[in-house]
Amino acid sequence: EVQLVESGGDLVQPGGSLRLSCAASGFTFSSYEFNWVRQAPGKGLEWVSFITYSDKTLYYADSVKGRFTISRDNAKNSLSLQMNRLRAEDTAVYYCVRGGEWAFDLWGQGTLVTVSP
Amino acid sequence: QSVLTQPPSVSAAPGQKVTISCSGSSSNIFVSWYQQLPGTAPKLLIYENNKRPSGIPDRFSGSKSGTSATLGITGLQTGDEADYYCGTWDTSLSAHWVFGGGTKLTVL
Repeated sequence: EVQLVESGGDLVQPGGSLRLSCAASGFTFSSYEFNWVRQAPGKGLEWVSFITYSDKTLYYADSVKGRFTISRDNAKNSLSLQMNRLRAEDTAVYYCVRGGEWAFDLWGQGTLVTVSP
Repeated sequence: QSVLTQPPSVSAAPGQKVTISCSGSSSNIFVSWYQQLPGTAPKLLIYENNKRPSGIPDRFSGSKSGTSATLGITGLQTGDEADYYCGTWDTSLSAHWVFGGGTKLTVL
């Protein structure tokens, strides 16, 4: 089955760190670009970060630049998001998403990150 | 920085047609549309302005003219009640993806 499965969401204190993972299956992971997209409770979608096939090109939203790092391991079919210096406004469901400039065609089920004292 | 503007909500009766607009501040080439049913992850509905992925019924259509895109849904069903988002890749300042604010569709 073609799918993306996120993990790693948790409750973390402000200023803390968390690492999200995304396991891909059912397709050739190395042939696709990936993103992280988040959705705060009751809010709309916010793009967070993008990575090309071989992680040579990385893009970040201004709101997370310098704090979050996207990476991928094509040998393990996995995508990661290292989140440092977390803030309350980072509280959201984080989705692992396949796609690039043309569209986002495959979404994971999401993992909840809560930043609170 | 590009901004995509959508109406917060639209409504129509079952069987009717509805359109959702997405107005952009830059001439992005391709717009895509996503449906988010309550409590679920978003799903791709339309890509490259007017193409439907496999499995998406032809009740859903997309169009684009200049800096505005439109999602059309015909033969509305109660199961179409969802939030709909437009999105595009923007390179006006720094490369990034941008989503519209989302439109809540209510099927009366």
